[in-house]
Amino acid sequence: DTAVSQTPKYLVTQMGNDKSIKCEQNLGHDTMYWYKQDSKKFLKIMFSYNNKELIINETVPNRFSPKSPDKAHLNLHINSLELGDSAVYFCASSPGTAWGPQHFGDGTRLSIL
Amino acid sequence: KQEVTQIPAALSVPEGENLVLNCSFTDSAIYNLQWFRQDPGKGLTSLLLIQSSQREQTSGRLNASLDKSSGRSTLYIAASQPGDSATYLCAVFMDSNYQLIWGAGTKLIIKP
Repeated sequence: DTAVSQTPKYLVTQMGNDKSIKCEQNLGHDTMYWYKQDSKKFLKIMFSYNNKELIINETVPNRFSPKSPDKAHLNLHINSLELGDSAVYFCASSPGTAWGPQHFGDGTRLSIL
Repeated sequence: KQEVTQIPAALSVPEGENLVLNCSFTDSAIYNLQWFRQDPGKGLTSLLLIQSSQREQTSGRLNASLDKSSGRSTLYIAASQPGDSATYLCAVFMDSNYQLIWGAGTKLIIKP
């Protein structure tokens, strides 16, 4: 059973489009995260939710909007995609709020044409 | 501002050798430090988590140490195997501003 699953794995789309990436965890964790990994493999936290409540919202364009319908899901919606949005996006989860061991999904590779 | 550095950026060693990966951070007021591995095209796998009050953690052939005062952590891999080839990342969590700061990673290649 996949612990943290993201869909789709690959997403190729044109500039200006709106797209969503879904994430689900079946670990019963309370906290979920979205990270962006750039071309230099550098990971940056974007958002974190604890029990459906937003607890971290780093400086990202407001075109990025996370949505957590329940604590097992954290989806990422991106409006008006730009070339600079091309990256790999990782979802993760962890038990509690104290940034315990994080479990990551396999990533979604977003390519903007 | 916390900065996390991993040296070297890449390392290639023959199978069977013991090796050490380094992670340094500029602000010692960390909450915890975590080591991850990333395989190509895959997500991250959490390897070891060291709380700020701890000195080391061990899991199988892996041992991670933490010296907060000097701003250093090392990941020791014993008897390396080709399957250990991956990129290894360290990250520190700062609970003062709720930030997770990442190193850029060390790409490790174990030659059979």
